[in-house]
Amino acid sequence: EVQLVESGGVVVQPGGSLRLSCAASGFTFDDYAMHWVRQAPGKGLEWVSLISWDGGSTYYADSVKGRFTISRDNSKNSLYLQMNSLRAEDTALYYCAKDTSSSYSMDVWGKGTTVTVSS
Amino acid sequence: DIVMTQSPDSLAVSLGERATINCKSSQSVLYSSNNKNYLAWYQQKPGQPPKLLIYWASTRESGVPDRFSGSGSGTDFTLTISSLQAEDVAVYYCQQYYSTPPWYTFGQGTKLEIK
Repeated sequence: EVQLVESGGVVVQPGGSLRLSCAASGFTFDDYAMHWVRQAPGKGLEWVSLISWDGGSTYYADSVKGRFTISRDNSKNSLYLQMNSLRAEDTALYYCAKDTSSSYSMDVWGKGTTVTVSS
Repeated sequence: DIVMTQSPDSLAVSLGERATINCKSSQSVLYSSNNKNYLAWYQQKPGQPPKLLIYWASTRESGVPDRFSGSGSGTDFTLTISSLQAEDVAVYYCQQYYSTPPWYTFGQGTKLEIK
């Protein structure tokens, strides 16, 4: 079964740091680019970051550029999101998602992990 | 930045009737190199992650019922549900891909309910 499982979401103070993880199974992880997408409470979807299949290229939304770092470990079938200088507006459910590679859409999603930034 | 604008924000349709959701991009998502529109549609039911329905503007993802169809090109796109079923109650999002640099933008979502 193709599956993505996120972890690492907690309550953190403004200015703090956090590392999210996403464990992939059921597909050849290093064949695909991967995304992080977030959803603030009661709001829509916001694309956060993309990493190429080999980790050689990374891209970020303007809202997180310079504060978040996406990475992957293909030997562990894992995706990561290092989040620094967290703000209240980063509070959201964070999903990892698999890129289709051909249609530039996201065909497999995890259930998400919740990050709350609050003092 | 590319902006995706969906209309309406919410929609109530009777069971068995047609539902139509529109998505407008501030820039064309048609790539002349391969004549493909990089526009996708997702369905998100309460408490669930999004599910890919349509990609390349009109290609149904495997397993998606054929009552779901996508159309449009360039900047204007439509998701149509031909005969609404109770299980189609959800929020629907369009998403575009821009290549240089790679950039993905979602519409604000359209909430579909039963009338």
